[in-house]
Amino acid sequence: DQQVKQNSPSLSVQEGRISILNCDYTNSMFDYFLWYKKYPAEGPTFLISISSIKDKNEDGRFTVFLNKSAKHLSLHIVPSQPGDSAVYFCAASAGGGATNKLIFGTGTLLAVQP
Amino acid sequence: DVKVTQSSRYLVKRTGEKVFLECVQDMDHENMFWYRQDPGLGLRLIYFSYDVKMKEKGDIPEGYSVSREKKERFSLILESASTNQTSMYLCASSGGDRANEKLFFGSGTQLSVL
Repeated sequence: DQQVKQNSPSLSVQEGRISILNCDYTNSMFDYFLWYKKYPAEGPTFLISISSIKDKNEDGRFTVFLNKSAKHLSLHIVPSQPGDSAVYFCAASAGGGATNKLIFGTGTLLAVQP
Repeated sequence: DVKVTQSSRYLVKRTGEKVFLECVQDMDHENMFWYRQDPGLGLRLIYFSYDVKMKEKGDIPEGYSVSREKKERFSLILESASTNQTSMYLCASSGGDRANEKLFFGSGTQLSVL
């Protein structure tokens, strides 16, 4: 079963507009969430994270929102730039610790049109 | 700058061959991971290791094994390659208190099994 779901395989937005990428999870034990960005022919790179004790975390143009009751998180990119075009993965973990592991979603391909 | 290096960018092998994928990290991280990325399935964890000579099965370990003889090196072994193992393979490492967050990924190896 897919514990972390990204239901939109792709998203297209205009340069300068807001991009909103969504992620849903089913495991109520998840307490830490991350977003990774992946360009073609490169490995994913860490973008932003949020702990379950918060409902918002902001880093420059990127903001992650967490709604624990809905088991939903979203990544907002404002303003969107062509260089943001990439695949975005959300990921979640439960409890931390050396042997814990990240569960990744299936990814959303963002295309920012100039 | 942190670095995770995968030995091959592209690899073509024949069904039944034994395949070795090598990964080296220079960050003195305790934890290392092997994922595969497939369209529509996201990143799925194959194996991980939290210490030298230690290994743990991930979500899809069948048909794979791993070796970690030195802290900086983590090898993925396909005992007898099959066509359904054609995929992008990504190695990652992490360290720190919440050891599984902020994975640092290599650039990936695109393996084709014919």
